Amino acid sequence: NAGVMQNPRHLVRRRGQEARLRCSPMKGHSHVYWYRQLPEEGLKFMVYLQKENIIDESGMPKERFSAEFPKEGPSILRIQQVVRGDSAAYFCASSINDWTGPYNEQFFGPGTRLTVL
Amino acid sequence: ELKVEQNPLFLSMQEGKNYTIYCNYSTTSDRLYWYRQDPGKSLESLFVLLSNGAVKQEGRLMASLDTKARLSTLHITAAVHDLSATYFCAVGYNFNKFYFGSGTKLNVKP
Repeated sequence: NAGVMQNPRHLVRRRGQEARLRCSPMKGHSHVYWYRQLPEEGLKFMVYLQKENIIDESGMPKERFSAEFPKEGPSILRIQQVVRGDSAAYFCASSINDWTGPYNEQFFGPGTRLTVL
Repeated sequence: ELKVEQNPLFLSMQEGKNYTIYCNYSTTSDRLYWYRQDPGKSLESLFVLLSNGAVKQEGRLMASLDTKARLSTLHITAAVHDLSATYFCAVGYNFNKFYFGSGTKLNVKP
């Protein structure tokens, strides 16, 4: 059973370009979360999605950032007109989300390390 | 907003010694997670703690949860070099949102 897949693992962009980060959840998981980790810091929640729905985007910057999780295919985190401050590791997690049950464990992908030149 | 504080942020210890990492959080929650992260890698799940008084052990690591005090601890017994990593606690809130501490960078010296 493959784990959470993310690609690319490393992404270099120049200021003003667009960055697209992809995440495929674990098999059987229909809930996806995106987190950002700045160097030497913990992970910060960005957005929580189910298929075709954004459930909670309270951690997303108001501009330039968007996320989707289409009916078919991976979840995409899109950053338009990147700036140097966007350089970070972006982690995707997935869960089976039986939130009425005892566990709501999130399993993390390997991350995409974005560098903005 | 829920705040999660870990301490210490950095911990350098000799092999064979014991130490405890603390995780305090500001709002009631009954779900607490511990993760390990090696440099440049993703997060590896260590423990899931779901109720007051929960204690779990795996090898040289033991985690506990006191929901009344809003405190979780990760105790390291007889540390070995392989335990060197960054350890994060995360608090589950509002069903699916996780709030992470800043992490404790552990360095175990041979």
